[in-house]
Amino acid sequence: AQKVTQAQTEISVVEKEDVTLDCVYETRDTTYYLFWYKQPPSGELVFLIRRNSFDEQNEISGRYSWNFQKSTSSFNFTITASQVVDSAVYFCALSESGDYKLSFGAGTTVTVRA
Amino acid sequence: EAGVAQSPRYKIIEKRQSVAFWCNPISGHATLYWYQQILGQGPKLLIQFQNNGVVDDSQLPKDRFSAERLKGVDSTLKIQPAKLEDSAVYLCASSPTRGLETYEQYFGPGTRLTVT
Repeated sequence: AQKVTQAQTEISVVEKEDVTLDCVYETRDTTYYLFWYKQPPSGELVFLIRRNSFDEQNEISGRYSWNFQKSTSSFNFTITASQVVDSAVYFCALSESGDYKLSFGAGTTVTVRA
Repeated sequence: EAGVAQSPRYKIIEKRQSVAFWCNPISGHATLYWYQQILGQGPKLLIQFQNNGVVDDSQLPKDRFSAERLKGVDSTLKIQPAKLEDSAVYLCASSPTRGLETYEQYFGPGTRLTVT
């Protein structure tokens, strides 16, 4: 069964626009971990954030922010004032407690046009 | 701190040939993972090592894929014989054994395999 769903396949925006990436997950565990990774054209997956299931505080890091809502099983990611360098594929992933392995969504391709 | 190293970066082979990929994890990282990423999809775990022992290889097609991590550091992933559907990027990742950071995986640049 699909554990992580990223419904948006591609998003295209103009520089300085905000962009929000949706992520919906499925798990029976009460303790789990959610992640976002960025995969630029070079191909290397870059770790962005880890969020624990018992911490529902939203987080902001520079132009990046994350909204975690257990009630809707969602962990959305917003890039504020997007830049061309933000163009990449973004993956949401889930790790269940004690498992450590990552189950990835299909990814969302973000294209930021100058 | 050096990142995860992988080689080769690119490989083109014909079907039924064999191929091997190499990974050197971040120093001190006990856990090592191999993922397969088919074009347009998210990475899928093939095998997970803890030191030199296999933790999870449930998704590894064992009739043609094999992996080892003999000294608990470097790892090799082999495909023999290759099929067209094995065309993908093979990603190696490692993670520390340090509380919740154990869940954070750091990825190498990947090996892009094309099977013709």
